[in-house]
Amino acid sequence: GAGVSQSPSNKVTEKGKDVELRCDPISGHTALYWYRQSLGQGLEFLIYFQGNSAPDKSGLPSDRFSAERTGGSVSTLTIQRTQQEDSAVYLCASSPSPNSNQPQHFGDGTRLSIL
Amino acid sequence: AQSVTQLDSHVSVSEGTPVLLRCNYSSSYSPSLFWYVQHPNKGLQLLLKYTSAATLVKGINGFEAEFKKSETSFHLTKPSAHMSDAAEYFCVVRLSGDTGRRALTFGSGTRLQVQP
Repeated sequence: GAGVSQSPSNKVTEKGKDVELRCDPISGHTALYWYRQSLGQGLEFLIYFQGNSAPDKSGLPSDRFSAERTGGSVSTLTIQRTQQEDSAVYLCASSPSPNSNQPQHFGDGTRLSIL
Repeated sequence: AQSVTQLDSHVSVSEGTPVLLRCNYSSSYSPSLFWYVQHPNKGLQLLLKYTSAATLVKGINGFEAEFKKSETSFHLTKPSAHMSDAAEYFCVVRLSGDTGRRALTFGSGTRLQVQP
């Protein structure tokens, strides 16, 4: 597809379960970002990947959160032992490069609900 | 340090009247500035960007924004609101040459409501 693709679009799970969220960036984009958007709030940075460099994990809220990016393309965000406060929309974005004048292109997000 | 302040959390206008969404930024270096729009249950869509070229930037759907360095502002405007403009709008600042978390700062958002 032409844009950033995220799956699933919605995920409902029980507290304590693990979840995996997937992001397929625009082909050729080297930079990939994960954000979290809680109800009525702005975007909270989680993690950033650039090419084969070590990711910037400084935004991950706890060690229950992890992410990987295989082959410089698809990325998976994993949340272990989910808690109710993890309920949010998780957005993925990619850009052609990390240069400051390159905008980020966003997917439609995964709406995660923890029961 | 950089920051972005969207001065109004909520703006309501009538269809056909002008739209003004205000954004002020704080940055020690030459920033890149962006406006994004988010419709319900959708991701963020880029409206326009400023990257030190023309100070008046035209975007999609009739929106434009003017970069005013002296006022550290980057307000978003549209001459005539349409019902389809109802959405959440985010002002974003990014430092030149920086990457990662420190590079992108989002405002808290302005919800635009358009009355018929």
